[in-house]
Amino acid sequence: GAVVSQHPSRVICKSGTSVKIECRSLDFQATTMFWYRQFPKQSLMLMATSNEGSKATYEQGVEKDKFLINHASLTLSTLTVTSAHPEDSSFYICSASPGNGEKLFFGSGTQLSVL
Amino acid sequence: QKEVEQNSGPLSVPEGAIASLNCTYSDRGSQSFFWYRQYSGKSPELIMSIYSNGDKEDGRFTAQLNKASQYVSLLIRDSQPSDSATYLCAPGGYGQNFVFGPGTRLSVLP
Repeated sequence: GAVVSQHPSRVICKSGTSVKIECRSLDFQATTMFWYRQFPKQSLMLMATSNEGSKATYEQGVEKDKFLINHASLTLSTLTVTSAHPEDSSFYICSASPGNGEKLFFGSGTQLSVL
Repeated sequence: QKEVEQNSGPLSVPEGAIASLNCTYSDRGSQSFFWYRQYSGKSPELIMSIYSNGDKEDGRFTAQLNKASQYVSLLIRDSQPSDSATYLCAPGGYGQNFVFGPGTRLSVLP
């Protein structure tokens, strides 16, 4: 199957700092990538849809100025959590589809802990 | 918006039994369905795709699709403790919103 690489896998940072998470499709081009957040024992929550060469589409309730998404190429999307606070501590997961928006392949996730 | 419904569980089965996971969906236009498995603390992984009515088998897994009833299921034969995870059902096709429900939590008891 297709491979989506996500880095870093774990990050611990101080409150107020910014954290960048990278998501790469290694063996296919992804016009669209998706960013999810998941709190312990809860469902995946779609945060935003990242579109190559254009602005991301954010789900209701997700602050676009806090969660900056850049999709500069067909194989790379980044999520930057700006001025992170403890309540932003969560498991962040990216995904992409190699074809026509059907099956998704997920990155391994990033566990963010904000102290 | 394409919506699915799954019993959130937990569904507990003894080791060696058949686990049956069910999913209903609202959009009659959905042409494809995918089952994902998510272990605790890990990201989801695609385990089955099904596009046509009927059964599709892959090892111990069988996906069943009934478009007339808007129903899709996943059977896991000879369940193992390693199958304990949350299983997510998702429709595909144009307009798929990539929003997941809570899935069904399966627990296979040794």
